[in-house]
Amino acid sequence: DQQVKQNSPSLSVQEGRISILNCDYTNSMFDYFLWYKKYPAEGPTFLISISSIKDKNEDGRFTVFLNKSAKHLSLHIVPSQPGDSAVYFCAASTSGTYKYIFGTGTRLKVLA
Amino acid sequence: DAGITQSPRHKVTETGTPVTLRCHQTENHRYMYWYRQDPGHGLRLIHYSYGVKDTDKGEVSDGYSVSRSKTEDFLLTLESATSSQTSVYFCAISEAAVTEAFFGQGTRLTVV
Repeated sequence: DQQVKQNSPSLSVQEGRISILNCDYTNSMFDYFLWYKKYPAEGPTFLISISSIKDKNEDGRFTVFLNKSAKHLSLHIVPSQPGDSAVYFCAASTSGTYKYIFGTGTRLKVLA
Repeated sequence: DAGITQSPRHKVTETGTPVTLRCHQTENHRYMYWYRQDPGHGLRLIHYSYGVKDTDKGEVSDGYSVSRSKTEDFLLTLESATSSQTSVYFCAISEAAVTEAFFGQGTRLTVV
């Protein structure tokens, strides 16, 4: 059973526009959420996180929104740049469990 | 970048042979993880460790074992490699239970 789902395998966006990546989860015990970016042949790198006590967290061009009632989070990238082209994974964790559950990833392509 | 080294980076092995992958960290982080990445499945947790000699199973632990005899080293062993274990394996570390995890560069394992 996939507890963290990224239903869009791929997304293409024009440079300068907004990229919105979505993630849904089923486990209501998750209380910490993260987004990672992965380039080919490299390990995932941490982008941004959000605790369940917040509904928004912003870091430069990246903003993560959390809707707990819908069990949904999204990553907004504004403005999108060609260097943002990568696979993006969302992940979730529960306090006290020590582990992160990842989604299947969304491949973002930013077109110049 | 977090000090995480995975070895080997690439390995080809035959079905039925044991294989050990090593993850070494210089950050003194308590938590260590092994994930595998496969197309359509994203990152799936194999095993994790929350301290020296303290390990637990993840989502896809069958056919794998781990050991952590020192804070800095986390070993993943495929007891008898099968073709279904052909994958890219990532080690990750984190300082606390609900903070971001940092990933190594990955090990590409091919079982023929």
